[in-house]
Amino acid sequence: SQTIHQWPATLVQPVGSPLSLECTVEGTSNPNLYWYRQAAGRGLQLLFYSVGIGQISSEVPQNLSASRPQDRQFILSSKKLLLSDSGFYLCAWRGDDYTYEQYFGPGTRLTVT
Amino acid sequence: AQTVTQSQPEMSVQEAETVTLSCTYDTSESDYYLFWYKQPPSRQMILVIRQEAYKQQNATENRFSVNFQKAAKSFSLKISDSQLGDAAMYFCAYTGSGYGGSQGNLIFGKGTKLSVKP
Repeated sequence: SQTIHQWPATLVQPVGSPLSLECTVEGTSNPNLYWYRQAAGRGLQLLFYSVGIGQISSEVPQNLSASRPQDRQFILSSKKLLLSDSGFYLCAWRGDDYTYEQYFGPGTRLTVT
Repeated sequence: AQTVTQSQPEMSVQEAETVTLSCTYDTSESDYYLFWYKQPPSRQMILVIRQEAYKQQNATENRFSVNFQKAAKSFSLKISDSQLGDAAMYFCAYTGSGYGGSQGNLIFGKGTKLSVKP
């Protein structure tokens, strides 16, 4: 069966520091991968998606970037964090079937101080 | 652009009773998928149910069922025999089908917080 991992689970970083969040998927190949951010009490905002290695699409301009160095690895990065980057970050994957179902990881809670 | 609206920020239900959460959406596409996701206090998003727009029959998954009204662009979730473990945020989501890199990207509503009273 497929599983999705995210780490770290919780992160507290000062303003101006770099960021690296990692997401990996097991049990599937060539998944579509997604990064979402959820601000407190709000819905999910799609940040990036990837349909393959090295293929990244950005949905909103921001202080963040994403990379997909391997088929089942998706990384969210920032060179300098802003206070507004605080939130709950969720990674998700979708298979190549046409159910369009996305499956989410456990998430990372990021607090920028 | 497609939008998803959940007009009930909070709902409450008595244990063992039935509750319906509302969702409306706006799209010009004819082929699409709709979902309900549950986010418990752990905050991991869990897929509850899926509905294909081309299917007239409403989807059901155990105690969860939907009322899909395509012409009205309405997609409500009914939870029967509510349990304490059903307490969570519930998100309605939409995606268009077809080809192209952005197809399959989910658009979420703002969510409904469901409380279950013992």
